[in-house]
This record gives sequence, structure tokens and C-alpha cells, in this order.
Amino acid sequence: DVKVTQSSRYLVKRTGEKVFLECVQDMDHENMFWYRQDPGLGLRLIYFSYDVKMKEKGDIPEGYSVSREKKERFSLILESASTNQTSMYLCASSDRGRTEAFFGQGTRLTVV
Amino acid sequence: GQNIDQPTEMTATEGAIVQINCTYQTSGFNGLFWYQQHAGEAPTFLSYNVLDGLEEKGRFSSFLSRSKGYSYLLLKELQMKDSASYLCAVLYSSASKIIFGSGTRLSIRP
Repeated sequence: DVKVTQSSRYLVKRTGEKVFLECVQDMDHENMFWYRQDPGLGLRLIYFSYDVKMKEKGDIPEGYSVSREKKERFSLILESASTNQTSMYLCASSDRGRTEAFFGQGTRLTVV
Repeated sequence: GQNIDQPTEMTATEGAIVQINCTYQTSGFNGLFWYQQHAGEAPTFLSYNVLDGLEEKGRFSSFLSRSKGYSYLLLKELQMKDSASYLCAVLYSSASKIIFGSGTRLSIRP
């Protein structure tokens, strides 16, 4: 079974803090994604990566950066957390051949 | 952008059939997914359509018309456990980018 693991289920951070959200997948997938999910807005793509050290901006990259130093790990970084980044963050991965994306359990981040 | 539109909410009766529609922009289209998401949980994969027509998988079927930029998810013999959000997502050709619609919250009443 494919497993996508996010490092935290719940996080509370202060405004201005630097925040790291980690995601690890164990199926050697090339593609990895970070989404945020907010009521009424659905899943919005922040960044995705199709290979090690490769990244592409999604629809809402502002205020975020990412890192993909190893194939299995894709990190989302909030350089200076703000209250409007309070959200559910979902990581996903997919194989380049099979296109189905598998999701992690999500991280609910609250910025106070 | 790649607007993906689906109804916000739907209600149906246990044992009945419901169809959830999704429309999308066709430029760069490579395939369409349907996911199910129960409250507080991660989305789980239901179906993937890349060619026109109907794909059936048990009680769930998914239809695609590429020329019309249209898909639907058909749920038969509805059960209470089918109460969830259903997400339409499109795979666009630029480096495997997957874009989601806002989701349709389906409520099943007895």
C-alpha cells in the first residue's frame, strides 16, 4: 500500500514564525504536491514537484516555498507565518506512469 | 486558470441514484479524477477517465466528454456512508499538474 506521511496532524504557530511542514512517501513516486484546503474553496495547489530539486508554482504560491532534496521528501515552508495561512494542508504524491494521486492525512495549521 | 466547476451541495435519499456534474476548461486536458472525502479525512481515489465514455466500478460510475469539457459521477443504491464531499480534479499536461474543483458536499437522508 502507498503511504504518504505528514509529520504533524495539528500545529499551532505564532505570526511571523518560520514553519516547516514535512511530507514523506514510500512508493518512489516522481510527483509530489502541496495543497491547502479551506471551506468553500476546495483544494488549491500551492506547489508541486516532478523530480528531485525540481519545483513548479501552483495557483497560490505567495508566502510559501518548497524543498525537494530527496525523492521521497517534499517540504513546505512558510517563511513568515500569517493568520491567513491558517488552513488544512494536504500533501500528495503520484507516479509519472500511473496518475492517481495518494494523499497524506493532512496537517491542520493554526497561526495565532 | 483552469476553472473547474461543480455544485456546492446536493441532497439525495438512501437507495436512490445521484449524479454530480463537473465542467472544466479543456486546454491542456490529460485526464479527470473523482475523489471522495469524508469530513476530517484525506481524499481517497474513486475513478480516473482519460477517454470519452462511461467507466463503471461497482455502485460508482464516471463519465467523460472531452469535447464538452464535462464529466459526471453517478452513485447508485445510495448508502448513508456515501455522505461525503466529492471532488472533481483535472490532470493538466504541464508537468502532471492536478487541479481540484471546490467539491460537492453530498448529504444522504434516510
